[in-house]
Formats: sequence, structure tokens, C-alpha cells
Amino acid sequence: LAKTTQPISMDSYEGQEVNITCSHNNIATNDYITWYQQFPSQGPRFIIQGYKTKVTNEVASLFIPADRKSSTLSLPRVSLSDTAVYYCLVGDNGGGADGLTFGKGTHLIIQP
Amino acid sequence: DTGVSQDPRHKITKRGQNVTFRCDPISEHNRLYWYRQTLGQGPEFLTYFQNEAQLEKSRLLSDRFSAERPKGSFSTLEIQRTEQGDSAMYLCASSGTGNNEKLFFGSGTQLSVL
Repeated sequence: LAKTTQPISMDSYEGQEVNITCSHNNIATNDYITWYQQFPSQGPRFIIQGYKTKVTNEVASLFIPADRKSSTLSLPRVSLSDTAVYYCLVGDNGGGADGLTFGKGTHLIIQP
Repeated sequence: DTGVSQDPRHKITKRGQNVTFRCDPISEHNRLYWYRQTLGQGPEFLTYFQNEAQLEKSRLLSDRFSAERPKGSFSTLEIQRTEQGDSAMYLCASSGTGNNEKLFFGSGTQLSVL
């Protein structure tokens, strides 16, 4: 079971770049890394997924070092609406529940 | 794509009563998942289906919890003899059947047991 460790909370300001790091020392060869965002009273929403190196989409970037024991979600130029809880998941949801396990996440607070 | 729909949005019940929640997944998704989330915690995986087959149910919280997906479309989650500790948000998600498919979540059913 590839467990993850994230900071409980982070603060930043509008317009800044925010980097949230997730540790997953026991990641398996077939595991992918997936990040979700959750606002209060809503279900989580997919942000980005990657296996190695760097992935970028219209919302965020995901940096994964060669050893894959950690990953960093990068949010460019955050706004107040990026205040949310961010979850890092590791696993292969092709079978079993390991890839479907959420931790406590990182509560990101963006201030004006 | 109408998204994942859950009903009801809120449910208040008395301790000892049975409750049932419904989830309608995205129509082309074969996999359906149930989670429970309590305040300040991440979603806790309960069970999931591929079509009508329940592939993982060992994480259901007790034998009071059961889930069905009889025709491989919508699903129901039932809690029998509710307890105050069952108060939580119950989330449903769906996905395709490829590996590492992203999950699409509904807005959840908030259960309050008095």
C-alpha cells in the first residue's frame, strides 16, 4: 500500500505560485500519482495525473523526480478561488482499493 | 455528460432507522465507487462496482452497510440501524474501466443521525 504524506495546511497570496509536495516512499512500479481538489460541500475534482517527469495541463503542473518517491503539484498564479483541500493519491485503480485511498489532504488558504 | 447525480442531498434520520442513498453515474462509466467523508478527513473508500459486480467490499464499515448495483447503472447504498457515528457525507464517484481512470464525483449525500 503506497501511503502518502502531505502538509496539513498551507497559506499563500493571490498571484503567487504554490507548490504542494506529497511523499510516497513506497510507490510501486505500476502506480500513478493523481491529484484532486475539493471545495466545501462538494465532491473532489480531478486536477492532474502523472507517472514520471513533468505533466502540465491548463490548471496545474505535476513534477515527479526520477525516484518517484515524491511529487509536487504546482499551481501558477493562484487566486482566492483556489482555496480548497488538495489530495494526492498513489496507486493503480485498475484493481483493488489501494489507488482509491485519500489521505487527509492539504488545506490551501489563499489570501488577498 | 450530466455528471454524477446523488439523491437525496441531505438526509436527517433518527438513530436505529434504515436509510438508502442513490447514485446515478455518468452514463458511459462502468465503474462506480462509494466513499464516506467526515469533517476534516479525506474521503474514505467503502466499495466499488464494475458494471453490476461488486469487486471490493471488504472496506465497508460494518455489516450494517450494503451496496447494490443491480443493472449496472445506478447504485444504492443502504445503512441499517443507523448510529450517530454514521453521520457523514456519503460520496459517489464513477469512472471508465481503463487503468488509472480519473474519478468523477457527485456532490454527496449529507447524513445526520439524531
